[in-house]
Amino acid sequence: GQQLNQSPQSMFIQEGEDVSMNCTSSSIFNTWLWYKQDPGEGPVLLIALYKAGELTSNGRLTAQFGITRKDSFLNISASIPSDVGIYFCAGSTSYDKVIFGPGTSLSVIP
Amino acid sequence: EAGVTQFPSHSVIEKGQTVTLRCDPISGHDNLYWYRRVMGKEIKFLLHFVKESKQDESGMPNNRFLAERTGGTYSTLKVQPAELEDSGVYFCASSLRGLGAFFGQGTRLTVV
Repeated sequence: GQQLNQSPQSMFIQEGEDVSMNCTSSSIFNTWLWYKQDPGEGPVLLIALYKAGELTSNGRLTAQFGITRKDSFLNISASIPSDVGIYFCAGSTSYDKVIFGPGTSLSVIP
Repeated sequence: EAGVTQFPSHSVIEKGQTVTLRCDPISGHDNLYWYRRVMGKEIKFLLHFVKESKQDESGMPNNRFLAERTGGTYSTLKVQPAELEDSGVYFCASSLRGLGAFFGQGTRLTVV
């Protein structure tokens, strides 16, 4: 079946640093999504990407849909303490059924 | 506008008992999804409703799980009888097609 891999699994960074994480897949997706999950909450959609090569920003977040349609990255600039959480990439081929990656756990040290 | 709401937020039951989880999607969203995250593993798709019809139930683990969406509004997910490995966080999500799914806060199920 379709599988996503995320790297790194976890990150510990200093406040103010930039963060980069990525996601790869063994198969092609039509849509790439990045979600963030805070403790005790459900995943919250951060960025949705619909076209290969697309680069999209949402505040301090920037994500790109890889040209091969098998990968995506998420960058966070100037990290702040509230960026702490688990970041999931997800791919979708039809409707909005998504396949999730295993997540990258981000810790920000003030 | 209210988001996706799930009830209960936590449930602790004994092995062999029955539990029913409820999801109220965002009003007007025809698509409703159930997902599950078992401890330490990725969030996995369980099934997808379009209105009251099951579009895809390929992720349902076994026949102890039964999902319904009567009238195409709220949905329930029943686990009967519950087993230890059913413990995890059950998420519901809803969407208008192609615009990204919005998730509820999840129900944390613990089977002891």
